[in-house]
Amino acid sequence: AQSVTQLGSHVSVSEGALVLLRCNYSSSVPPYLFWYVQYPNQGLQLLLKYTSAATLVKGINGFEAEFKKSETSFHLTKPSAHMSDAAEYFCAVITGTASKLTFGTGTRLQVTL
Amino acid sequence: NAGVTQTPKFQVLKTGQSMTLQCAQDMNHEYMSWYRQDPGMGLRLIHYSVGAGITDQGEVPNGYNVSRSTTEDFPLRLLSAAPSQTSVYFCASSDGGLASGNTIYFGEGSWLTVV
Repeated sequence: AQSVTQLGSHVSVSEGALVLLRCNYSSSVPPYLFWYVQYPNQGLQLLLKYTSAATLVKGINGFEAEFKKSETSFHLTKPSAHMSDAAEYFCAVITGTASKLTFGTGTRLQVTL
Repeated sequence: NAGVTQTPKFQVLKTGQSMTLQCAQDMNHEYMSWYRQDPGMGLRLIHYSVGAGITDQGEVPNGYNVSRSTTEDFPLRLLSAAPSQTSVYFCASSDGGLASGNTIYFGEGSWLTVV
């Protein structure tokens, strides 16, 4: 069964620093992988998705993620953090054939001055 | 351009009461699902539907019922609320399955407290 593991429940970076949020997947078939962002008291917003078209996926708000099959990873990065990036980030993988998402446990990103 | 609409946004229930969380989408999506979000556990799938008249259980279905009489609506029913059902509930929809890798759209969430 497909699953994802997010390393680090809390990540803190300084404004302007690199953001790196880690996600490793487990899948017996080529996976469809997603990153979602959740701002406080709001729903989930899609940042980007990997559907095997390209290994480097660019998303909204300057985020990108690279699919690395050899490392079974799909880490999320942003070159320069902004205060508005403070939120919780979820990695997810589609399981089965019915658009069912399996989520990681989430990583809360804190951005400090 | 409503997307996925959930109601109510906030609700407090007493143990043993029943209620229905409403979910509607106006994108003519076939796939709809309900998730619950709990601290440190991410989102977990409760029930899902691949089309009108078809529903199936997800990871944590106990205590919840669903029905899909129309393409647009996918209500989630709590038959006898328990404190363990205190959570944030998200409805989601998509117009494709795994083969298309289509985007899954989420509602704004429903905060439920059972006392």
